[in-house]
Amino acid sequence: QQQVKQSPQSLIVQKGGISIINCAYENTAFDYFPWYQQFPGKGPALLIAIRPDVSEKKEGRFTISFNKSAKQFSLHIMDSQPGDSATYFCAARRGATNKLIFGTGTLLAVQP
Amino acid sequence: DVKVTQSSRYLVKRTGEKVFLECVQDMDHENMFWYRQDPGLGLRLIYFSYDVKMKEKGDIPEGYSVSREKKERFSLILESASTNQTSMYLCASLRLDTDTQYFGPGTRLTVL
Repeated sequence: QQQVKQSPQSLIVQKGGISIINCAYENTAFDYFPWYQQFPGKGPALLIAIRPDVSEKKEGRFTISFNKSAKQFSLHIMDSQPGDSATYFCAARRGATNKLIFGTGTLLAVQP
Repeated sequence: DVKVTQSSRYLVKRTGEKVFLECVQDMDHENMFWYRQDPGLGLRLIYFSYDVKMKEKGDIPEGYSVSREKKERFSLILESASTNQTSMYLCASLRLDTDTQYFGPGTRLTVL
């Protein structure tokens, strides 16, 4: 019940294409769902986040879609660029705590 | 900008040695975290501190302890290093008003 399942493990997309990464959770007490981006040799950095009272959040080329009834959320990267090549982690916050549970990560490669 | 620094980027230790990993943040954050990152397993929470001298176990605390004597510094201690503790260790601090965890660059620890 405490897990966040992330797929795919790796993804190759052509420049200009759409990258889609999916996450699913079981615990309905989760109240905040961030995505973190990690470049090689760096720590993860917050990319975009959503709360369960909205179904979509968009920031530039990055969009989170959230389906509360299905307990799923996904990251869409529009017009993917080689500079987006990184590892992406979804996460969920346990309600009433400040602790995040992370997915297993997706290694994205955007080919020029 | 928030800065989280970790004392070493790379560390090589022998089995049975006591290992100290240091983390310092410069933004007066109350909450700090230690994670380990392993391929295919994502980020897993080892310990969490919500104030000076206050700590809470994460999901994988066995074999680790922590120390938080000053607000800006959070130390992870491996009392007797073992080969299965070879990993990337990431420290983070939390900015509460934006729900953003800021990560350090990580310490890659190898235990021989």
